[in-house]
Amino acid sequence: AQKITQTQPGMFVQEKEAVTLDCTYDTSDPSYGLFWYKQPSSGEMIFLIYQGSYDQQNATEGRYSLNFQKARKSANLVISASQLGDSAMYFCAMRRLDTGANSKLTFGKGITLSVRP
Amino acid sequence: GAGVSQSPSNKVTEKGKDVELRCDPISGHTALYWYRQSLGQGLEFLIYFQGNSAPDKSGLPSDRFSAERTGGSVSTLTIQRTQQEDSAVYLCASQQRPTDTQYFGPGTRLTVL
Repeated sequence: AQKITQTQPGMFVQEKEAVTLDCTYDTSDPSYGLFWYKQPSSGEMIFLIYQGSYDQQNATEGRYSLNFQKARKSANLVISASQLGDSAMYFCAMRRLDTGANSKLTFGKGITLSVRP
Repeated sequence: GAGVSQSPSNKVTEKGKDVELRCDPISGHTALYWYRQSLGQGLEFLIYFQGNSAPDKSGLPSDRFSAERTGGSVSTLTIQRTQQEDSAVYLCASQQRPTDTQYFGPGTRLTVL
């Protein structure tokens, strides 16, 4: 079974500053993928960044980077230079990477981020 | 290109009625998922379609829920005899291959009165 834990309460960050959103996970699968999605008030789930368990380097996508610490089973999202449009709910998720298998996502409960002007 | 689309965006129904929710995946994506997002349960997997294989229905909460995918493309999630606890946002996602990223639609917000 897979489990994602996001325990931070609502997060606040000043515009243009960096913020880290925490995520820890647990799984018995030897090969897995970690994802972060953003859900603004409109409700759509927007893919942000992906990290494979076998990747040697931390993933980066523009202002998003993933601080992957496999031994600690953590996959924190770092948002640099926060913008007002970053205010949203952020979900960490994971799935197994077996080809052909149901690669359903297991989600954490999410973290609300508010960016202050 | 076009993303995943879902309809309707909002659905209000009375307890006991049947509802149908539709998902149009990204063209060429062979895998399709339905998830449910509710306040109490967070995001839960419901059902998975991959190509012409039999769907994985392991996440469906009761036999009132069913889904089909016609021609390997459009999918319909049907909830029969709706209950108030069915109120949630129903999200559809598609992916090109099992190892790829899942892309989500905007969801259907279902309210059962």
